[in-house]
Amino acid sequence: NAGVMQNPRHLVRRRGQEARLRCSPMKGHSHVYWYRQLPEEGLKFMVYLQKENIIDESGMPKERFSAEFPKEGPSILRIQQVVRGDSAAYFCASSPGQKETQYFGPGTRLLVL
Amino acid sequence: GIQVEQSPPDLILQEGANSTLRCNFSDSVNNLQWFHQNPWGQLINLFYIPSGTKQNGRLSATTVATERYSLLYISSSQTTDSGVYFCAVDKAGGTSYGKLTFGQGTILTVHP
Repeated sequence: NAGVMQNPRHLVRRRGQEARLRCSPMKGHSHVYWYRQLPEEGLKFMVYLQKENIIDESGMPKERFSAEFPKEGPSILRIQQVVRGDSAAYFCASSPGQKETQYFGPGTRLLVL
Repeated sequence: GIQVEQSPPDLILQEGANSTLRCNFSDSVNNLQWFHQNPWGQLINLFYIPSGTKQNGRLSATTVATERYSLLYISSSQTTDSGVYFCAVDKAGGTSYGKLTFGQGTILTVHP
């Protein structure tokens, strides 16, 4: 039973480019959470999605960031026109329900040059 | 929002020693999880423990929900226990949707 998968594991972008981060939840899990870990900071919630729906995006920056979880395929976190301050580790977690254990993927380390 | 405070911020041990990490939270919770972030950055689930006591090998955890704290015990520590230990909670109530609020972590270093 595969765990949460994220790809790519490492991503390098130049300022102004787009970054696309993918997350495949564990089998049978329909709840996906994205978190960001900035250097020297803790992990912060970004967005919570269920299949085809954004439920809570209260932690998402207002501009340049978007997320989706289509009916088929992985969840995508998209960052447009990246800036150096976007450099961070982005973690995805999945769970079978809202109040149940969240299982984290290995993360995507984004570096913006 | 809910506040999560972990102590101590740093802990240095010799291999074989025991330790206790603490997590205080400011409000009622639906969910409390302990994680270990290893030196490679991976977040490993240790416990899902909104209340009660659980044990897994050399690790155990206790959450006293009514007093809003949780403890993580590490016995006979090994160098592979090094890393950052995070406590994370989901605030009880209608609009949390399960999102976790993380503490700042305890950095554990175990020397051989």
